[in-house]
Amino acid sequence: ETGVTQSPTHLIKTRGQQVTLRCSSQSGHNTVSWYQQALGQGPQFIFQYYREEENGRGNFPPRFSGLQFPNYSSELNVNALELDDSALYLCASSPWTRAETQYFGPGTRLLVL
Amino acid sequence: GIQVEQSPPDLILQEGANSTLRCNFSDSVNNLQWFHQNPWGQLINLFYIPSGTKQNGRLSATTVATERYSLLYISSSQTTDSGVYFCAVFVYKLSFGAGTTVTVRA
Repeated sequence: ETGVTQSPTHLIKTRGQQVTLRCSSQSGHNTVSWYQQALGQGPQFIFQYYREEENGRGNFPPRFSGLQFPNYSSELNVNALELDDSALYLCASSPWTRAETQYFGPGTRLLVL
Repeated sequence: GIQVEQSPPDLILQEGANSTLRCNFSDSVNNLQWFHQNPWGQLINLFYIPSGTKQNGRLSATTVATERYSLLYISSSQTTDSGVYFCAVFVYKLSFGAGTTVTVRA
């Protein structure tokens, strides 16, 4: 295990709803990155948080937003859910000085009906 | 952005067999990594290998950065090696390939 935890493990929502996913980083890690992994594909970078601010964003619309808290934990919020948002959402933590070395949580599986 | 390609997309092995997975990347980078994703979705770091060769048990990896490719070797495969193997490179974010799905049959 990596020490990165995510909640919930599974979630079912309907189109148009909003969802919040949570991530606790590994001890000593101050940077959190979020990825979306659709079925049969590799993870795609959503955004990264450092010092409670977004620091880099992938090709995702503004309805994907996040937060980072003083204890380095993080939330991913998705508004106006669409069917294509169904995916495994992965959180990864790393120290800022070694941002390339990321350790992943077990993920949250989101199904949008 | 940087392109990462993996081959083959699928691999079926008999327990005890050896195999080689390949990763090609489009730009010069010095932080190639290999991950294993188990059937439950957990991504596990296997190797951080910007260049050269590393070994960890039955797994080993080689990266030739000047030629922009990396190879992951699985020797004496076991059923627990099943899952998806990803390579990724870091340029302010991790960019993953599409993965190689490995199935090891008993």
